[in-house]
Amino acid sequence: AQTVTQSQPEMSVQEAETVTLSCTYDTSESDYYLFWYKQPPSRQMILVIRQEAYKQQNATENRFSVNFQKAAKSFSLKISDSQLGDAAMYFCAYRSSNSGGSNYKLTFGKGTLLTVNP
Amino acid sequence: ETGVTQTPRHLVMGMTNKKSLKCEQHLGHNAMYWYKQSAKKPLELMFVYSLEERVENNSVPSRFSPECPNSSHLFLHLHTLQPEDSALYLCASSRSVVNYGYTFGSGTRLTVV
Repeated sequence: AQTVTQSQPEMSVQEAETVTLSCTYDTSESDYYLFWYKQPPSRQMILVIRQEAYKQQNATENRFSVNFQKAAKSFSLKISDSQLGDAAMYFCAYRSSNSGGSNYKLTFGKGTLLTVNP
Repeated sequence: ETGVTQTPRHLVMGMTNKKSLKCEQHLGHNAMYWYKQSAKKPLELMFVYSLEERVENNSVPSRFSPECPNSSHLFLHLHTLQPEDSALYLCASSRSVVNYGYTFGSGTRLTVV
């Protein structure tokens, strides 16, 4: 079974600075998807960025980028120019790319609470 | 508005009560999910429906009973719950179970007293 580990329960960053959130995962599969979700106080889970494991290039979405190290099974999220609105819980998630069985489910880490200080 | 609407937003119920959580989406998605989010724990998948057919029951106790009358609506019927069932219950939908584009609702915060 796949597992996702986020080793930082809480992180803080100064506004306009850069912060990196860590995520490691364990899988025996070679093809899969990885995601970072943001959950603000409104509670809705919002997709921040996703990475396909077969792609070597790291995904980027504006101020958000990932460092995907497939061999190390590491998937960190970098937030540049942090803004007050970035404050939220951030969840790393894994999904198999295989369509059979119950491989469609998302496996989540426990989350990292990010505080942005003005 | 997220596209996935959950009601009620908050619910407090006694252990002998019966209540239902509702989830609604009009995104044209064919798959719907219930997740449980407890403090200090990863989100746990509870149920998956694809085209109104349940395709996953992730070892959930029978005091939780899902219902999917059509592809736009998903319910979670609750009865004789325990205090440890207190959690945030999140609904999500996707175009199909093989599509990874989830849209989540804002959840129902359930407290069992």
